[in-house]
Amino acid sequence: SQQGEEDPQALSIQEGENATMNCSYKTSINNLQWYRQNSGRGLVHLILIRSNEREKHSGRLRVTLDTSKKSSSLLITASRAADTASYFCATDPNNAGNMLTFGGGTRLMVKP
Amino acid sequence: DAGITQSPRHKVTETGTPVTLRCHQTENHRYMYWYRQDPGHGLRLIHYSYGVKDTDKGEVSDGYSVSRSKTEDFLLTLESATSSQTSVYFCAIRGGRANNEQFFGPGTRLTVL
Repeated sequence: SQQGEEDPQALSIQEGENATMNCSYKTSINNLQWYRQNSGRGLVHLILIRSNEREKHSGRLRVTLDTSKKSSSLLITASRAADTASYFCATDPNNAGNMLTFGGGTRLMVKP
Repeated sequence: DAGITQSPRHKVTETGTPVTLRCHQTENHRYMYWYRQDPGHGLRLIHYSYGVKDTDKGEVSDGYSVSRSKTEDFLLTLESATSSQTSVYFCAIRGGRANNEQFFGPGTRLTVL
């Protein structure tokens, strides 16, 4: 079963707009990570946020974490056509030996 | 790509035949993982390894076995392939500054007819 559930499943925006993706999870976590997957490729790690952090930035990416609601969001600002990809959240549960559990992903399309 | 290669990249096989997928890494990482990716299911962990000859099951291990006789190679075997094992298979290693990120190979697309 999936620990993380992304919302929406698909998102289409215009270049320059912001894209927000949400992830909800069920059990306690040590950290939550976001990955990107371009079509036909493997996943690429984007950013990690620890359970004691509330917000983290990396370039045009902003991640928030609300452990009371068991949810996280990924914001991509000023999107570009090259941001077109699927985005996955992955949770690292406290006692799972550092195995990640991935959600089903959000497919983002950025139109030029 | 963290020095991870997978072979073959594509394979078509018949139901009932054995299939072995190989994952090779060049950076001496201790943890290696095999996932399958299917529409609507995201990535699901099949098996993982935490050292030479040390492996454990993941969420969807039925019908799969693994072996790790060398640090650099992690093999995934389908003893008797079924159509339900048609999928894209990804290998990953654990690394990063805090050793809690995963780095993925390019994937193997397997079709079982």
